[in-house]
Amino acid sequence: GENVEQHPSTLSVQEGDSAVIKCTYSDSASNYFPWYKQELGKGPQLIIDIRSNVGEKKDQRIAVTLNKTAKHFSLHITETQPEDSAVYFCAASRDTGGFKTIFGAGTRLFVKA
Amino acid sequence: NAGVTQTPKFRVLKTGQSMTLLCAQDMNHEYMYWYRQDPGMGLRLIHYSVGEGTTAKGEVPDGYNVSRLKKQNFLLGLESAAPSQTSVYFCASSLWVANTGELFFGEGSRLTVL
Repeated sequence: GENVEQHPSTLSVQEGDSAVIKCTYSDSASNYFPWYKQELGKGPQLIIDIRSNVGEKKDQRIAVTLNKTAKHFSLHITETQPEDSAVYFCAASRDTGGFKTIFGAGTRLFVKA
Repeated sequence: NAGVTQTPKFRVLKTGQSMTLLCAQDMNHEYMYWYRQDPGMGLRLIHYSVGEGTTAKGEVPDGYNVSRLKKQNFLLGLESAAPSQTSVYFCASSLWVANTGELFFGEGSRLTVL
């Protein structure tokens, strides 16, 4: 079946450094790719998303890139801060009937002050 | 705004017991979902609803039942709990079908089955 692979599972960076999380999806019909951030004891919250007709999207210190040919998409966080420490989930879905959003396994990001 | 509210937040059950998790949303969203979150496995969809009175199976529906009698509420039931159902459960809602729109999650319900 379809799946989304996410790497790394754990990432530790120094405050101010950049962090990159990568995902690969298998369903070539996927056309919507959201990223969610989950803080300790909270539910996931959407931080950025990208659609298949766009190659890159940026929102302040966060950017997402999409390579449809390779079926890869990545989250980039620049100038990391301690409050960026959380679990990040990527997901892939398609709007062609039914409901099918597949989540990656998550990346736990630690930002060391 | 409360957003998506789940009750209870914590529960311990013995094998074979039953329970219901309640999800309420105040955003007038049509679509509601129940996910379970297990270490290293991300979020997996249990059941979902595209409107009042409708429900559908997700990826891992076995052992669970759901009901959507009111638009704002989505109930998840376990008729006979098993240790394999120990997990953190998240309810979510969305204005549009989640394929192409944001999911709004509750804060989770941690269930332990002994």
